[in-house]
Amino acid sequence: GQQVMQIPQYQHVQEGEDFTTYCNSSTTLSNIQWYKQRPGGHPVFLIQLVKSGEVKKQKRLTFQFGEAKKNSSLHITATQTTDVGTYFCAGPASGTYKYIFGTGTRLKVLA
Amino acid sequence: NAGVTQTPKFRILKIGQSMTLQCTQDMNHNYMYWYRQDPGMGLKLIYYSVGAGITDKGEVPNGYNVSRSTTEDFPLRLELAAPSQTSVYFCASGQGANTEAFFGQGTRLTVV
Repeated sequence: GQQVMQIPQYQHVQEGEDFTTYCNSSTTLSNIQWYKQRPGGHPVFLIQLVKSGEVKKQKRLTFQFGEAKKNSSLHITATQTTDVGTYFCAGPASGTYKYIFGTGTRLKVLA
Repeated sequence: NAGVTQTPKFRILKIGQSMTLQCTQDMNHNYMYWYRQDPGMGLKLIYYSVGAGITDKGEVPNGYNVSRSTTEDFPLRLELAAPSQTSVYFCASGQGANTEAFFGQGTRLTVV
């Protein structure tokens, strides 16, 4: 079945440093979504990318969808303590409405 | 606006017991999902529904059942609880096939 892997699994950064998480799917995705889950909380939708090579920005967050639509990345510039949490990518299994979540990257920001 | 509501928030079950996790949404969404999240891990799709009367298996359906008699409600049934089902269960809903999913607060289930 489809697998969606994320690297790294964990990342500790000093406040103010940049952070990037990478998402790789075993199959081509029609679109990809990103979610953030704060410790003890539930996933919250951040953004959806649809087009090959698409880049979207939300303040300090930059999202990119690969040309082959099999990978994606999330980059945070100048991290803040409020960025702490686990970041998940998610995409639909080929030809279905099943949204498969990636393994997640847990970010810790040291003040 | 309540969004997606899950009950109960916490539950301890003994091995072999059964229970139903409730999920209701007030956004008139057609798509609903059940995920489980083991400690420190990602989310695994258990079942999903694209509308009332329509359900389908996700990645890890064994040991669970669902029904979707109304647009609002999507209960998840555990028939014979096992320790391997200890997890946090999240219900989510979405307006369409490729739209954002709104998650409930989760149900933390422990099977002992």
